[in-house]
Amino acid sequence: EDQVTQSPEALRLQEGESSSLNCSYTVSGLRGLFWYRQDPGKGPEFLFTLYSAGEEKEKERLKATLTKKESFLHITAPKPEDSATYLCAVQAKGAQKLVFGQGTRLTINP
Amino acid sequence: EAQVTQNPRYLITVTGKKLTVTCSQNMNHEYMSWYRQDPGLGLRQIYYSMNVEVTDKGDVPEGYKVSRKEKRNFPLILESPSPNQTSLYFCASSSTGRGYTFGSGTRLTVV
Repeated sequence: EDQVTQSPEALRLQEGESSSLNCSYTVSGLRGLFWYRQDPGKGPEFLFTLYSAGEEKEKERLKATLTKKESFLHITAPKPEDSATYLCAVQAKGAQKLVFGQGTRLTINP
Repeated sequence: EAQVTQNPRYLITVTGKKLTVTCSQNMNHEYMSWYRQDPGLGLRQIYYSMNVEVTDKGDVPEGYKVSRKEKRNFPLILESPSPNQTSLYFCASSSTGRGYTFGSGTRLTVV
């Protein structure tokens, strides 16, 4: 069974304090690994798709990396507006379903 | 603007009263899907559709129905809602090889 585990559950940082969020996964043939941002009461907002080990993608202060067993979302010099829940999901080859992790709730204090 | 539109945003209903949550996308996407989000359980897929008239069950389909008569619309039907269907619901769409675009959500309370 495909599974995604995210850690930590919650993370509180000071503005400018860089850190990483972890997403460990098991999947029967990876089609893609997705990172989403979700603000309270809103739908998940697409950030990145990673397809193969070694791939990296960047967007502003965020950088996502992928290995065969896990993905990291690195946040460099975060700002309060980066506060949100970050969701990781995998899609198996031949499947349409996304299997989500529980998310990491990130709070950036000014 | 490319988007997935769900209605209503909030709904309170009574047990057993049939309801429909509408979902429409303007991106000509083939794939559409419904998810529910519950504390501690995360996002789980209810039903999905690969194209017009093609639908299939996700992980938690019991108590729900869907239809896909037009490419842009994918309504979620609760024939006889029960309190355990109280949840936050999201519709999403995608094209081949792309990530899903999610709607803003429908918060449903069944009393």
